[in-house]
Amino acid sequence: NAGVTQTPKFRVLKTGQSMTLLCAQDMNHEYMYWYRQDPGMGLRLIHYSVGEGTTAKGEVPDGYNVSRLKKQNFLLGLESAAPSQTSVYFCASSYVGQGIYYGYTFGSGTRLTVV
Amino acid sequence: KQEVTQIPAALSVPEGENLVLNCSFTDSAIYNLQWFRQDPGKGLTSLLLIQSSQREQTSGRLNASLDKSSGRSTLYIAASQPGDSATYLCAVSGNAGNNRKLIWGLGTSLAVNP
Repeated sequence: NAGVTQTPKFRVLKTGQSMTLLCAQDMNHEYMYWYRQDPGMGLRLIHYSVGEGTTAKGEVPDGYNVSRLKKQNFLLGLESAAPSQTSVYFCASSYVGQGIYYGYTFGSGTRLTVV
Repeated sequence: KQEVTQIPAALSVPEGENLVLNCSFTDSAIYNLQWFRQDPGKGLTSLLLIQSSQREQTSGRLNASLDKSSGRSTLYIAASQPGDSATYLCAVSGNAGNNRKLIWGLGTSLAVNP
């Protein structure tokens, strides 16, 4: 039972390069999220999805795009990386069953450095 | 705007001590509150989830309480162990929409010394 898997775990990018972070979950969860975690800032929501084919902006969406073509996958794209996007990125998923919300499962994170 | 505060920011205790971590939130209209644990360089692990209609949840040596009216939650850890050393994060979920976005505190970094 893998839960939420993020790839890659580490990446170094040069300013202006692009990349895609992949998040995959095998729990059939409806909701998926991308967060970034920075020292002194806590976790901040970038984008989220409430189901296959749907995405929405979170608190800090600028510079990022997302896609959820399949229910189990949520992709986070950086079109033109900037040093301000140096951070640890976490993917999470959650679900609601019979009207009860069952909480989040997180991936292990991607540490991205933009130089 | 909902804000979540965790006090203290850091805590160091000897092994075996019972301890309390605090979380406060400014808007009492929450859907639920969750406590997470984060080990250095790792992801977050969900510890306890308290629905807005509940007062507390227990799991092993952990007990979390919720007082919506005062905007406070506490995480009680009994008989602390060195393996409990980690950062503990509190997060609340609002009622708006059904996306269940979380608002996070900055965490309490706990060190349990042998």
